[in-house]
Amino acid sequence: GQQLNQSPQSMFIQEGEDVSMNCTSSSIFNTWLWYKQDPGEGPVLLIALYKAGELTSNGRLTAQFGITRKDSFLNISASIPSDVGIYFCALGSSNTGKLIFGQGTTLQVKP
Amino acid sequence: GAVVSQHPSWVICKSGTSVKIECRSLDFQATTMFWYRQFPKQSLMLMATSNEGSKATYEQGVEKDKFLINHASLTLSTLTVTSAHPEDSSFYICSARGGGSSPLHFGNGTRLTVT
Repeated sequence: GQQLNQSPQSMFIQEGEDVSMNCTSSSIFNTWLWYKQDPGEGPVLLIALYKAGELTSNGRLTAQFGITRKDSFLNISASIPSDVGIYFCALGSSNTGKLIFGQGTTLQVKP
Repeated sequence: GAVVSQHPSWVICKSGTSVKIECRSLDFQATTMFWYRQFPKQSLMLMATSNEGSKATYEQGVEKDKFLINHASLTLSTLTVTSAHPEDSSFYICSARGGGSSPLHFGNGTRLTVT
């Protein structure tokens, strides 16, 4: 079946540092999504990528859809305490709407 | 913006009882809704796809007789956990989308604890 690997599993950084996390899949999908989940809440969409090679920014967040269509990364620049949470990559099918989530990266930011 | 509301946000029930969780799309018609389950420190796992007016499609390994899904209207889907057991304790999250390739919106989840 579909394999989706996300790394790192967790990160503990100092406020102001940049962060990078990535996902790789065993198959090609046409949509990569990045979500953030705060404790006890549902995931919130950060960035959606639809095209191989696409680089998209949302404030301090930047994500890219790999050329091979099997990987994606998310960068957070100049981290702040409210960036704390769990970040998930997800593969999507525009036809069915079904999503496969990565294992998540737990981010902790020390003020 | 589009909002998906789940109710209740948390529920505690005794083993053997049934619990119903509601997922509502507040400002759009959701032709498709999805139900996910998330155990502590784990990722979201898709349980089933719910289409308005038809039977839900369950993912492999999810018992359809235990997790009853009803999508009776374009704004409401319900998930009923029947004869709940402690191992059913989890965070249940729904998502909803309108027609075509419209974006997906997630609810805020329901924390189920079975004692």
